[in-house]
Amino acid sequence: TQLLEQSPQFLSIQEGENLTVYCNSSSVFSSLQWYRQEPGEGPVLLVTVVTGGEVKKLKRLTFQFGDARKDSSLHITAAQTGDTGLYLCAGWGSDYKLSFGAGTTVTVRA
Amino acid sequence: NAGVMQNPRHLVRRRGQEARLRCSPMKGHSHVYWYRQLPEEGLKFMVYLQKENIIDESGMPKERFSAEFPKEGPSILRIQQVVRGDSAAYFCASSVNGEEKLFFGSGTQLSVL
Repeated sequence: TQLLEQSPQFLSIQEGENLTVYCNSSSVFSSLQWYRQEPGEGPVLLVTVVTGGEVKKLKRLTFQFGDARKDSSLHITAAQTGDTGLYLCAGWGSDYKLSFGAGTTVTVRA
Repeated sequence: NAGVMQNPRHLVRRRGQEARLRCSPMKGHSHVYWYRQLPEEGLKFMVYLQKENIIDESGMPKERFSAEFPKEGPSILRIQQVVRGDSAAYFCASSVNGEEKLFFGSGTQLSVL
């Protein structure tokens, strides 16, 4: 099993501030995904990054895949209360399994 | 096009009873994955199935747990003789053959008394 470490575990910020969540591993992944999960629901896919060094933008969210395809970051600009949730990174390994990090709980205060 | 359907949403069992969790994948999806999640933790892989085949069950305990995905009907995750440590949220996800995009259901919250 390939391990993904997310940091920080918890993040609480004021509306309008920026935040960054990190996802690191010692393993190389064929692709890496970010999911957002709300209480009582399943994770919902936000983005898939495939190429080392790739940067993808989804409105106020910016996702980056490290050059060596072992790490990724999620940056949210001008956070809104609707961004509150559990953010999970997940990597597809050579064993065709999707492994998840423990998640970062983001709370955006009004 | 309905999403991944899991039922029941909540399941309460006493120690020693059996729990059956059902998952109907999205239409056209032939691959099913089961994951388990404890509070404030990520999802832990349990088993990966295709129709009538178990592809990878390396994340599933060898005793008391079994999974199937028959030719017709939903995928079933079965836990026999449940213990308190089995209490968790169990999520099912499906994908189209060969794709890496998983669609998750809303999960079944299992509580063992």
